[in-house]
Parts: sequence; structure tokens; C-alpha cells
Amino acid sequence: NAGVTQTPKFQVLKTGQSMTLQCAQDMNHNSMYWYRQDPGMGLRLIYYSASEGTTDKGEVPNGYNVSRLNKREFSLRLESAAPSQTSVYFCASSEAPGIASGSFGEQFFGPGTRLTVL
Amino acid sequence: GDSVTQMEGPVTLSEEAFLTINCTYTATGYPSLFWYVQYPGEGLQLLLKATKADDKGSNKGFEATYRKETTSFHLEKGSVQVSDSAVYFCALSPGAGGADGLTFGKGTHLIIQP
Repeated sequence: NAGVTQTPKFQVLKTGQSMTLQCAQDMNHNSMYWYRQDPGMGLRLIYYSASEGTTDKGEVPNGYNVSRLNKREFSLRLESAAPSQTSVYFCASSEAPGIASGSFGEQFFGPGTRLTVL
Repeated sequence: GDSVTQMEGPVTLSEEAFLTINCTYTATGYPSLFWYVQYPGEGLQLLLKATKADDKGSNKGFEATYRKETTSFHLEKGSVQVSDSAVYFCALSPGAGGADGLTFGKGTHLIIQP
């Protein structure tokens, strides 16, 4: 049981390059999330997917796109990287809170991808 | 909207000292409350949770009590160790039906000196 996995762990891009960050979970969760973490800013939600086939914008979606490939996988794409996108990116998964799921909304996080855009 | 406020630090303590990290929240309805811990170079790990008023969450010697009257969820530990050095995040989840994620505080960097 690996939990939430992310690839790659580290990446360096030049301005204007594109890349896709991969995330997979093996906990059969319906909901998945992408956050970025910057010094002094805490975690900010980029996009989330409440269930397979749906995606929604979070607090800071500009410059990013996402794909919920199936229930397990949720990818984050940077089409044209900018230095302002230098950050640590975390993927997380959870069940929506409710009596049926038994969840209270707690999320489980991957180890992160450290991205530098030059 | 919902919000979480916590002391940002860094908080520097000596080993075996008593720890309190304050967290207050603003939310409608009946949120669940969480503390996460992030060790250097790692992702966030759930440390403890409380799902209704007056609940006490506890794990690894850490405790926090859900105080609805003061909208607080302060993290405490009686005797900290060097290995507790990390960043601690307070977070809330809205009541049933909310799938748009947790609301996090900005994190408190804790440094424990031997």
C-alpha cells in the first residue's frame, strides 16, 4: 500500500518549457487535489477533482491544467513554465466528508515535487 | 469563507519544554479540525483530528481540544524532543458534502534545540 505517489521528485525547467506532474493513489479515494507550497504562503489549492470525470479550479489555477485520467491518477500540467511557478507541488487524496464515506475530509499527501523554473 | 489562523514562528524551544501552538478558525456549520506535520523534505502527515466540539485528538504525545466557544484548536505537548522539529499546519474541513478540500493555516515552524 503505497498511499499517494508523485513523479518526478525534482525538476528544473527553463522559462517557456512544459511538463506534467504525475500523481497516483491506491486508497480508492474519490477526491484528489493539487497544492503548491511557497515560503510564508502555506499551501494553496491549485485544482481539485471531487470525483472521476470532474475537475474544478482552486485558489491559484492560472498557468496550470489538470487531467483526472481515472480514479487513481490526477496529473498537473504546466504548458509554459514561468519563474513564478517555482515551488513545491503536493498531490493529495481523500474521501468527501459524510456519514456514507465515514470520512471527515482528512487528506493524505504525496511526498511532493520540487520544481525550479529558470 | 472559512479561514484558519495560526502563529507562524519560528518557535524555538529547548528539549523537554512544554509546547503550545495556537490555532483559531472561522467557519460556518460544523467543521472537523486537523493538525498536520511536515518534516524536512517530506509531505504532510496527519498528526491528529477532532470532529466535534469538546473532542480531544491525540497522537505521539501531542493533544488538541476542539473548543467551539473560542473557535480554537491549540496543539500542545508536555515535553518536546529534537525529533519534533518540523512545520505544523492547522486545517479544517467543512461539514458533510464538502469536497473542495481543506482550509490550511500558513504553518508554524518549530525548532527544538538539544
